[in-house]
Amino acid sequence: KAGVTQTPRYLIKTRGQQVTLSCSPISGHRSVSWYQQTPGQGLQFLFEYFSETQRNKGNFPGRFSGRQFSNSRSEMNVSTLELGDSALYLCASSLGGRTSGNTIYFGEGSWLTVV
Amino acid sequence: QQQVKQSPQSLIVQKGGISIINCAYENTAFDYFPWYQQFPGKGPALLIAIRPDVSEKKEGRFTISFNKSAKQFSLHIMDSQPGDSATYFCAASRDFNKFYFGSGTKLNVKP
Repeated sequence: KAGVTQTPRYLIKTRGQQVTLSCSPISGHRSVSWYQQTPGQGLQFLFEYFSETQRNKGNFPGRFSGRQFSNSRSEMNVSTLELGDSALYLCASSLGGRTSGNTIYFGEGSWLTVV
Repeated sequence: QQQVKQSPQSLIVQKGGISIINCAYENTAFDYFPWYQQFPGKGPALLIAIRPDVSEKKEGRFTISFNKSAKQFSLHIMDSQPGDSATYFCAASRDFNKFYFGSGTKLNVKP
């Protein structure tokens, strides 16, 4: 069974640009959540989508947005990039049916560098 | 406000020793506490998880001890091996898949 697939794996962007990251969840998983990982702030929750609806949102500015498609694939977008947005962006998928206690499976992440 | 506090930041253990990582949380509404292991260049992978109605859970060499009254939980790795060298994260959640992670512990097991 294929794991969570994230593309691209590495990218470099310039301040002010925007970026779109893609995530394909494990087959059959309907929940996709996104996390930002940095050395200073650690792993921080961005948002979660379940059946194309945003189910949860973290404390990030509106420049960070996401969406989920009918096939459960998800994209996240960051507009007007800042240097501080440089991070590893991790996507995680789960069956998502329970209100808590769902096992989430992470992809290998997309490394974003903003210069 | 950090919802989950993790210590130590780094840990060096001899092969065969016991590795202990501690976490404390504030929100008593949390009802699921997993531990994740992350190797360089990889995403975190679930190791073991516990619910607050259980005081201990063991899976192979990994044990979670949970103290609900103290709002603390810990990961014990018995017979630590060099292959266990990785970064470990504790986490807590109460809302679907919104997890609050600890800051991570970098474990180095010396041969």
